[in-house]
Amino acid sequence: AQSVTQLGSHVSVSEGALVLLRCNYSSSVPPYLFWYVQYPNQGLQLLLKYTTGATLVKGINGFEAEFKKSETSFHLTKPSAHMSDAAEYFCALPSGFQKLVFGTGTRLLVSP
Amino acid sequence: GAGVSQSPSNKVTEKGKDVELRCDPISGHTALYWYRQSLGQGLEFLIYFQGNSAPDKSGLPSDRFSAERTGGSVSTLTIQRTQQEDSAVYLCASSFRDRSYGYTFGSGTRLTVV
Repeated sequence: AQSVTQLGSHVSVSEGALVLLRCNYSSSVPPYLFWYVQYPNQGLQLLLKYTTGATLVKGINGFEAEFKKSETSFHLTKPSAHMSDAAEYFCALPSGFQKLVFGTGTRLLVSP
Repeated sequence: GAGVSQSPSNKVTEKGKDVELRCDPISGHTALYWYRQSLGQGLEFLIYFQGNSAPDKSGLPSDRFSAERTGGSVSTLTIQRTQQEDSAVYLCASSFRDRSYGYTFGSGTRLTVV
């Protein structure tokens, strides 16, 4: 079954700095990949979705993700971090029968 | 409704008691999922419902856990004889047809077993 790895349980950046959150998938190219964001005491909210054929995917709040087959990666980036971006971010892909498997999450900390 | 609604938002229960967690999915979403999120852990799949088909219960951790979905809409997750290790946030999500559309999550129920 497919699995997803998020390197770095915590990432700290300064406001205005580049945000890079890493996600790698385990084996065959998935037909779709997702990034979700979770703010404190809330459920997960969809940030963006990759589908086959795309390479750079744009999402909400200025985030984008680049799919790289050669690196089995789908890293999430944002050129300039805002304080409001502080949250936990999850990468997810299909695994098994009709469900998504989620990474363990990366908590983004943004300092002024 | 406009979003996925879960109730209660917080539940504190004594060890050994039974609890029921409720999920009201988005109208028209045929797929419904329950996940568990424990401190420092990712999301653990529990159960999946699709329309009136038999649910995929492969993620339920023990026979103390059960879930039903009535009329293809509202779902209830029941945990019998709660244990301290059941303490977690239980998230419900729904999807239009299937996982390829992505999930819409509720805000979760935080369960604390004391």
